[in-house]
Amino acid sequence: GDSVTQMEGPVTLSEEAFLTINCTYTATGYPSLFWYVQYPGEGLQLLLKATKADDKGSNKGFEATYRKETTSFHLEKGSVQVSDSAVYFCALSVNNFNKFYFGSGTKLNVKP
Amino acid sequence: SQTIHQWPATLVQPVGSPLSLECTVEGTSNPNLYWYRQAAGRGLQLLFYSVGIGQISSEVPQNLSASRPQDRQFILSSKKLLLSDSGFYLCAWSFSGDEQYFGPGTRLTVT
Repeated sequence: GDSVTQMEGPVTLSEEAFLTINCTYTATGYPSLFWYVQYPGEGLQLLLKATKADDKGSNKGFEATYRKETTSFHLEKGSVQVSDSAVYFCALSVNNFNKFYFGSGTKLNVKP
Repeated sequence: SQTIHQWPATLVQPVGSPLSLECTVEGTSNPNLYWYRQAAGRGLQLLFYSVGIGQISSEVPQNLSASRPQDRQFILSSKKLLLSDSGFYLCAWSFSGDEQYFGPGTRLTVT
């Protein structure tokens, strides 16, 4: 079936460090891929998305590339800030049933 | 622009009591609607989704139910709450395969 696997957290980094959060997926069709961010006590916000192979989604310094050959959509940021501390979710959308599949989330802690 | 509302924001209920959480979407028509639960420190669990009025798909068997009495209204209910029903409940909407937009969530504590 369709699913998303992302690295377990928490991930703890110092400010200005490089961030990578790994995400791989399994899908029977051609999914769209997403990264969502959740700040404490809030709902999820879309961070970026990619709808086809080799697309790169980017927003607020974060980016992720849709890699069909490795079925991956890793999230990266060159220099994290304390304000980036949150839980990050990788997700895929399967068009036929309008369903989304979310990873388990990766908590990021950025220390000053 | 579209907005999504959930209420209440927080709720404390005793075991065995009923539950009703409401979600409404403004600024759009015929959206897909979703209910998720997020247990403490865990990921998102899809509970129900709906592609139209009166059309509900259940993902996980449990003592919860959902209804969609109007196009932009989605209700999550229970007749008798269990301790395990505690969690953060999120409503979301989307169009056909496009990204999902989430509400602010309801924090439910069952005591």
